[in-house]
Amino acid sequence: DAEITQSPRHKITETGRQVTLACHQTWNHNNMFWYRQDLGHGLRLIHYSYGVHDTNKGEVSDGYSVSRSNTEDLPLTLESAASSQTSVYFCASSEEGKGTDTQYFGPGTRLTVL
Amino acid sequence: GENVEQHPSTLSVQEGDSAVIKCTYSDSASNYFPWYKQELGKRPQLIIDIRSNVGEKKDQRIAVTLNKTAKHFSLHITETQPEDSAVYFCAPIRPGGYNKLIFGAGTRLAVHP
Repeated sequence: DAEITQSPRHKITETGRQVTLACHQTWNHNNMFWYRQDLGHGLRLIHYSYGVHDTNKGEVSDGYSVSRSNTEDLPLTLESAASSQTSVYFCASSEEGKGTDTQYFGPGTRLTVL
Repeated sequence: GENVEQHPSTLSVQEGDSAVIKCTYSDSASNYFPWYKQELGKRPQLIIDIRSNVGEKKDQRIAVTLNKTAKHFSLHITETQPEDSAVYFCAPIRPGGYNKLIFGAGTRLAVHP
């Protein structure tokens, strides 16, 4: 069955380290997204991509970067991890149809920055 | 910037009662109105959505109503069950508008047996 996966599911790192979170989807969706969710809050969009080699900044992009070299993957990189980036990160994907399609979320990655 | 508000932030009902959650938005160009359900420790999942050419949509015990003039849409759950206990999020959006996508802060629904 088609799915969207994230790895690792849990990560502990230290301040200043570079961290990369993986997201892989097998639906062949063009659109992919990264969100962060802080305790007791909603989802905030970090970056999104409409297709290969396309990336765009979301509401809270500072300190994060993404690259899209193929349809299936959108890795999220924290260039220099900060304690304020401790959060749960969700990846999502949707079909073609900009802005008006169901988003399918991955299981999430819990990141702790010490 | 865009503004999305959900009310109430918490809702507690007895099993079998109805629950209504309202989402108010500011972007008049929004034309897609989804509701996501997130159970504790799980990923958000779409439960129902509506597009701007429809005023109401129903799927078994859940329904969504849209008032574009007043810029709000609501989630209605009838005959609530304990498994409806979760956090519900709205995320109205305009075409090509992911740069302005804002999720509501969420409504925590507790259904007591």
